[in-house]
Amino acid sequence: AQSVTQLGSHVSVSEGALVLLRCNYSSSVPPYLFWYVQYPNQGLQLLLKYTSAATLVKGINGFEAEFKKSETSFHLTKPSAHMSDAAEYFCAVTPNSGGGADGLTFGKGTHLIIQP
Amino acid sequence: NAGVMQNPRHLVRRRGQEARLRCSPMKGHSHVYWYRQLPEEGLKFMVYLQKENIIDESGMPKERFSAEFPKEGPSILRIQQVVRGDSAAYFCASSPDRNSPLHFGNGTRLTVT
Repeated sequence: AQSVTQLGSHVSVSEGALVLLRCNYSSSVPPYLFWYVQYPNQGLQLLLKYTSAATLVKGINGFEAEFKKSETSFHLTKPSAHMSDAAEYFCAVTPNSGGGADGLTFGKGTHLIIQP
Repeated sequence: NAGVMQNPRHLVRRRGQEARLRCSPMKGHSHVYWYRQLPEEGLKFMVYLQKENIIDESGMPKERFSAEFPKEGPSILRIQQVVRGDSAAYFCASSPDRNSPLHFGNGTRLTVT
């Protein structure tokens, strides 16, 4: 069984400030973890994924996430927020040994608001 | 290479009518997934199909919902006798195999009046 908890349904930061979106997971097997972004009225786009190689994963648009097994966390960060980062962000976990999409479980999402 | 195409983008149905949602996967993708997104909720898995086969339908409601992915043509998610609780965004995603990340369509927003 697996689950994902995203702390904070809404996160507001100022433009240029650090972005930190939290994700904790529960998995009975070594997990493979993803962050997706959803812009209004669009589908989800893959930001980055962790598949047991490096624990610090770099994604698109300047985002990165660090896998911490001891904390069962996979928090998403970006050093400097941009107005275009305003969107919904979803953390997801799968036990798929190939790191693929089979059996993907999503968190409820965090809405990121960027203040000018 | 066109992305995952879903149509219609918006669908309005009265209670008791049927809703048919279509999904054309990316070229070369034979694996299709359907997810439902309710307001303030994440995506919930519904069904996983390959060409002509349902692989996993553990997330599908037992009644009124069905899905297919024929040899030719798009994947279809069919909801019979819709109720207000079916109002949601339905997303289709595809991948070339079960080990690859998903590519999502822009969704179909179903409103039941």
